[in-house]
Amino acid sequence: AQSVTQLDSHVSVSEGTPVLLRCNYSSSYSPSLFWYVQHPNKGLQLLLKYTSAATLVKGINGFEAEFKKSETSFHLTKPSAHMSDAAEYFCVVSTSGTYKYIFGTGTRLKVLA
Amino acid sequence: KAGVTQTPRYLIKTRGQQVTLSCSPISGHRSVSWYQQTPGQGLQFLFEYFSETQRNKGNFPGRFSGRQFSNSRSEMNVSTLELGDSALYLCASSLGNTGKPEYEQYFGPGTRLTVT
Repeated sequence: AQSVTQLDSHVSVSEGTPVLLRCNYSSSYSPSLFWYVQHPNKGLQLLLKYTSAATLVKGINGFEAEFKKSETSFHLTKPSAHMSDAAEYFCVVSTSGTYKYIFGTGTRLKVLA
Repeated sequence: KAGVTQTPRYLIKTRGQQVTLSCSPISGHRSVSWYQQTPGQGLQFLFEYFSETQRNKGNFPGRFSGRQFSNSRSEMNVSTLELGDSALYLCASSLGNTGKPEYEQYFGPGTRLTVT
C-alpha cells in the first residue's frame, strides 16, 4: 500500500530565509515521488519529480528535494523564500501499475515580509 | 501546446440533480485522471482512464462515474447530488502509456461545483 505524510500543515518563513517542507512516504515498491504547488484558485503545477535517477532533484523556481530511501523521506527545500512562494504544496507518491497518485494532505506555506 | 482544459469552470446545482464535467487533455496524452478536492478530505483520487478504459478507481460511491472518448477527452458524471459533493474537481492528463509512475500528470484549473 502507498501513503504519504506531510508532517506540517502550515509553515511560516520570512522572505529571504530557507524553506523546508517535510514529506514521508510509504510504498511497497520503488516509488516515483512528486511535489506540486497550488496557488489560490488555481490548478496544480509540477515543481519536481523523483523517478529513481539522481536522489537530489532540482525543480522550478529554485526548489529542490532529496530522496532518502533509508528515511523514506522526500523533503522539499529552497534556499531563499520569495513572497510569490506563498501557496499550498503537495507531496505525491505513485507506484508502477497502480495508475494513480496518492496525495499528501498539503502544507500551506506563508511567507512573511 | 495547450494545457488541460476543463469546462465549466463553475457550476451551481441543487441536491438531487446530476452534473457532467468535461476535461480535454493535452494533445497526445491518453491518460486522464479525476480528483476531488475538499477542505476536509484534501485531494482524493476518483478514477483514471486510458484509451477509453478505466484502469483504476478510488473509493467513491457509484453515483460518481466517468468515461473517456476516442479522442481522449473525458467526462465525469455525478448523479443524485448531495451537499457533500461540493468540491473542486480536478482533471489531470499524462502520457501514461505503460503505467510507469514517472509520467507526471498535468492538471487543469478545475471545476468548482457547489451543491445547494
